[in-house]
Amino acid sequence: QKEVEQNSGPLSVPEGAIASLNCTYSDRGSQSFFWYRQYSGKSPELIMFIYSNGDKEDGRFTAQLNKASQYVSLLIRDSQPSDSATYLCAVNLIGNQGGKLIFGQGTELSVKP
Amino acid sequence: DAGVTQSPTHLIKTRGQQVTLRCSPKSGHDTVSWYQQALGQGPQFIFQYYEEEERQRGNFPDRFSGHQFPNYSSELNVNALWLGDSALYLCASSLAGDTDTQYFGPGTRLTVL
Repeated sequence: QKEVEQNSGPLSVPEGAIASLNCTYSDRGSQSFFWYRQYSGKSPELIMFIYSNGDKEDGRFTAQLNKASQYVSLLIRDSQPSDSATYLCAVNLIGNQGGKLIFGQGTELSVKP
Repeated sequence: DAGVTQSPTHLIKTRGQQVTLRCSPKSGHDTVSWYQQALGQGPQFIFQYYEEEERQRGNFPDRFSGHQFPNYSSELNVNALWLGDSALYLCASSLAGDTDTQYFGPGTRLTVL
C-alpha cells in the first residue's frame, strides 16, 4: 500500500464548478498535510496546509482533514481554466526529524471553459 | 524577496557520468531539502541539510550525496549516472523551526542518455 494515494485523474470539471480532489494516507502518525499545485513543466507551488481536523478556507480553496478516516481533500470553488494543473497531496509524520514530505502521485485537473 | 533558485535549468549527461546540481534557498531560510520527481510521479525525498550536515535521508543509494555551505546554499551530486536517474530534481527551502512549510525552486531537468 502506498503511503499517500491520490486518483491520478484526469478530473475534468466545467468552468465555475467545484473541483474536489481527494487523498488518503496510510500512517496514522501523519501530522501535517499539504496541497501543492504543479503546472506542466513547472515546480510544485504550496497552496494550502492543514494540521487539525475540520475545514480550512483560503479564498476559493478549502482543505478538509479527517484523521479518523485518514483522508484529506481540497475543494476549489468557482474553478477557472487557470486552475488546470496537477495537484499534489503531501504529508509529514509525527516524530519525523522535520521536513520529509511524502507525496502522492498527483491528480491532474482540467477545467473546461 | 529572493525565492529559491536552482542551476542549471536543464542538463544532459551520458550513463556513468557524474553531475552536480546547485540550489540557493529563499532569503531567510536555513534548511534545504532535495527531491527527485520522475515523469508522472510525485516528488520523492532524497535528503535534507541543516547546519551543513545531512539531517535525514530518503531511500536513495550512496551515489546520491550532498553538501551545504555556510551561506545555506546546497549541492546535490550524483555519481555513476544511469538512465533511471533522468528526472526533475527539486530543491526546497524552509526554516529549521518550520521544516513542514517548504518552498520549491524551479528545478533542474536531468536527462541521462
